[in-house]
This record gives sequence, structure tokens and C-alpha cells, in this order.
Amino acid sequence: DVKVTQSSRYLVKRTGEKVFLECVQDMDHENMFWYRQDPGLGLRLIYFSYDVKMKEKGDIPEGYSVSREKKERFSLILESASTNQTSMYLCASNYQGNEQFFGPGTRLTVL
Amino acid sequence: AQRVTQPEKLLSVFKGAPVELKCNYSYSGSPELFWYVQYSRQRLQLLLRHISRESIKGFTADLNKGETSFHLKKPFAQEEDSAMYYCALMNSGYALNFGKGTSLLVTP
Repeated sequence: DVKVTQSSRYLVKRTGEKVFLECVQDMDHENMFWYRQDPGLGLRLIYFSYDVKMKEKGDIPEGYSVSREKKERFSLILESASTNQTSMYLCASNYQGNEQFFGPGTRLTVL
Repeated sequence: AQRVTQPEKLLSVFKGAPVELKCNYSYSGSPELFWYVQYSRQRLQLLLRHISRESIKGFTADLNKGETSFHLKKPFAQEEDSAMYYCALMNSGYALNFGKGTSLLVTP
């Protein structure tokens, strides 16, 4: 069974904190993605990665960075969390142009 | 620039009625289009993609390049179809460009 897991379902942080969101997939997929999901805005791509140590900016990379040290793991980093980063964060992975498989999401609240 | 438009935020239909969720896109190349669905408290999952031409859970979607549309249709809606539906366009880098989503509510 295909699995994309995310380290936390719910997270509450304070403004200015450094936040790490972790994503792990067990399908040996080259491509991994981070999206944020907001009501009325749909899903927007933050960053993606084709391979280990490779990263590409998506549509809304400001305020975020990523790390991919191992093929199965893709981390999203908020260097200094702000209230406008309160959102649902979804990780996904796929092989080439095939179906993307999504994690359960992390609901982040920044106070 | 590529863009996906879902004009309806909310669509409410009665059980047994036909349903059509609209999706329009703009893309200069040959589009690779998907419909994803998110049921309450579940993760986002693929419903169908245009190249497979499959019917999943009674839903179909036809790519109309002339109208740049990829509308999702089902002849008889069921209560279990109530969910959030997203149309998405895959770009050359294999990332998805999503529409804003349509919330479908099927009432008895």
C-alpha cells in the first residue's frame, strides 16, 4: 500500500519560531512536493524536488525553504513563522508524470 | 501562463440528479489534466485523469481542447459523492497547478 506520511497532524507555533515539517514516502519516488491548502484558494505549490539535494521554487516560495537529503524524505522549513503561514500543508510524491500521492496534511497554526 | 479555473465554489444537488463540475484551463502545450477529490477527514486522492479515459465511481471527464475544458460529470449523484473536488493541470516539471476547488453537496 502506497504511503506518504507527515510528521504531525496538528502543530501550534509562535510568531518568529523556526518550524520543520517532515514528509516521508515509501514508494521510491523521485519527485516530491509541498503545497499549502487554504479555503477559497485551493492548493498552491510551495517547493518541489526532482531528486536528492535538488529543489525548485513553486508559486509561493517566499518565507519557506526545503531540504532533501534522502530520497524518501522532504522537509519544509519556515525560517521565521508568521501568522499568514497558518494553513494546511500537504506533501505529495510521484514518479515522472504519474499520479501524485498525498500525505494526510499538517494543520499549522501560528500565534 | 497556465491556469485552472473552477467557477463554482459550491454546488448543491439532490440525490439522483445529474451533476457537472466545471473546469477550464489555459495552457500553451498539450495539457495533462486530473480531477482530485477530498472526502471529509480523508487525504486528497486521484479521481481520474484524462489520458486514462476511465470512469471512476460513475464519474467521467472529457477533454475539450476547443473549449479548453475538462468538466467532471456524473449522471446520478449519490450522497457519498459529497466532497471537495479539484481540477489540476500538470506542468512540464510534473508539479500540479490546481483550481480553487468546488465543494459538492448532495442532499437526500
